[in-house]
Amino acid sequence: GQQLNQSPQSMFIQEGEDVSMNCTSSSIFNTWLWYKQDPGEGPVLLIALYKAGELTSNGRLTAQFGITRKDSFLNISASIPSDVGIYFCAGQREGSGTYKYIFGTGTRLKVLA
Amino acid sequence: GAVVSQHPSRVICKSGTSVKIECRSLDFQATTMFWYRQFPKQSLMLMATSNEGSKATYEQGVEKDKFLINHASLTLSTLTVTSAHPEDSSFYICSASWVQETQYFGPGTRLLVL
Repeated sequence: GQQLNQSPQSMFIQEGEDVSMNCTSSSIFNTWLWYKQDPGEGPVLLIALYKAGELTSNGRLTAQFGITRKDSFLNISASIPSDVGIYFCAGQREGSGTYKYIFGTGTRLKVLA
Repeated sequence: GAVVSQHPSRVICKSGTSVKIECRSLDFQATTMFWYRQFPKQSLMLMATSNEGSKATYEQGVEKDKFLINHASLTLSTLTVTSAHPEDSSFYICSASWVQETQYFGPGTRLLVL
């Protein structure tokens, strides 16, 4: 199935550093969602974005719906060890006529204490 | 709010048997439920979309006779893996949505077919 381009694929960072990841597509999206998945568990919704240009925060996390509607960004400030996990973006393509979401390939984050 | 449960959390079965996985939305009515499959270190792959009271819509390449989906109520959907084989071993995750905007995921079911 179709997937969104997500980058970076993985990253090691020091505790306290800020983290940025993004999701891009050649298609226009109506909605962007960001999830975090811990090993052996289901994804947990972090942030939902519904309008182009929207900037939304959830604690140390901030996500933005790109102006072009073809991308989205997630930033984590002052990372801590429990931020370790896989982060997925998911987008709902405009004109798809369905409620389906397309998922990104994931960004695997490892935080070094 | 927006809690989705799955049962069982893990199951081991013999090849040739069928396995049923339940997905429940605990505190909201889900008009649509989705079933995903996830292989190790990979993203989620949508298998099918199910709407309450109607037939599920399967993604290309997913055998509908192999993966039976029933969405009998606004809070329950089931996935039955029929005549399971070792290649069906995977992590199966459901999600539920009451409007088309957001999906909430269950904790997943790990299936191991011997």
